[in-house]
Amino acid sequence: KAGVTQTPRYLIKTRGQQVTLSCSPISGHRSVSWYQQTPGQGLQFLFEYFSETQRNKGNFPGRFSGRQFSNSRSEMNVSTLELGDSALYLCASSEGYSGNTIYFGEGSWLTVV
Amino acid sequence: DAKTTQPNSMESNEEEPVHLPCNHSTISGTDYIHWYRQLPSQGPEYVIHGLTSNVNNRMASLAIAEDRKSSTLILHRATLRDAAVYYCILRDQNSGYSTLTFGKGTMLLVSP
Repeated sequence: KAGVTQTPRYLIKTRGQQVTLSCSPISGHRSVSWYQQTPGQGLQFLFEYFSETQRNKGNFPGRFSGRQFSNSRSEMNVSTLELGDSALYLCASSEGYSGNTIYFGEGSWLTVV
Repeated sequence: DAKTTQPNSMESNEEEPVHLPCNHSTISGTDYIHWYRQLPSQGPEYVIHGLTSNVNNRMASLAIAEDRKSSTLILHRATLRDAAVYYCILRDQNSGYSTLTFGKGTMLLVSP
C-alpha cells in the first residue's frame, strides 16, 4: 500500500507570492490533516479535512487555506507569503476516527526569500 | 488538550534499553497515550499507544502508571536508527478529530 505522498518536496518562493501544496493520502483514508514545522514553533496543526469538509482548524491566519477533493486528495494554499512561512509542511492521513493511527508524508520544504 | 511534559533530550548507547518518560498529570479518562517519533528529515511515524494497560509491539513497549499520570516508552535495544525526536501525545477518544497536538518531544541520541 502506498504511503502519504506530498508534492512538491522542495520549493522556493518569493515574498508576496502564493503557493499550493498537494497531498495524496493512503488509499481508503478519508481524513487529511496538515501541519507546519519550524525550528522555533515545532510541529503545529493547521487544519483537518474529512470527506471534503474542514472539521478542525488550528490557530493560523486566513492566508492559510485548504481543500479536499472527492477522491480524498488535498491541497493547501498559502497566499501573500511571508519570510516566516518558511517551514516543512506535513500532510497526514488516517481513516478519520479519533483513535486511528495517523500516517505522515515526508513533507514539502518551503523556503520564502 | 491535556499537556505532556518530556525531557528535552536523552542519550543512550547502542544495544542498551532506553526508557523515555512522559508526565501527563492532567490526563482525562478518555485520553489515550500515543507515542510518535520523527527521524531526521522525515515525517513523524506512529510508535505505540495505550489507555491503561501496558502495551507491546514490534517497535517498543509502553508502560503506563497505575494513576495514568505518567508513562514510559521503552526501546528494548536501541539502534542507531532509533535516534529521533520522540513525542508523547494525548488523544481524546471522543474528540471526533483525527489530529495530533505535538509538544517539544525528547531528542534521543544513540551512540555506537
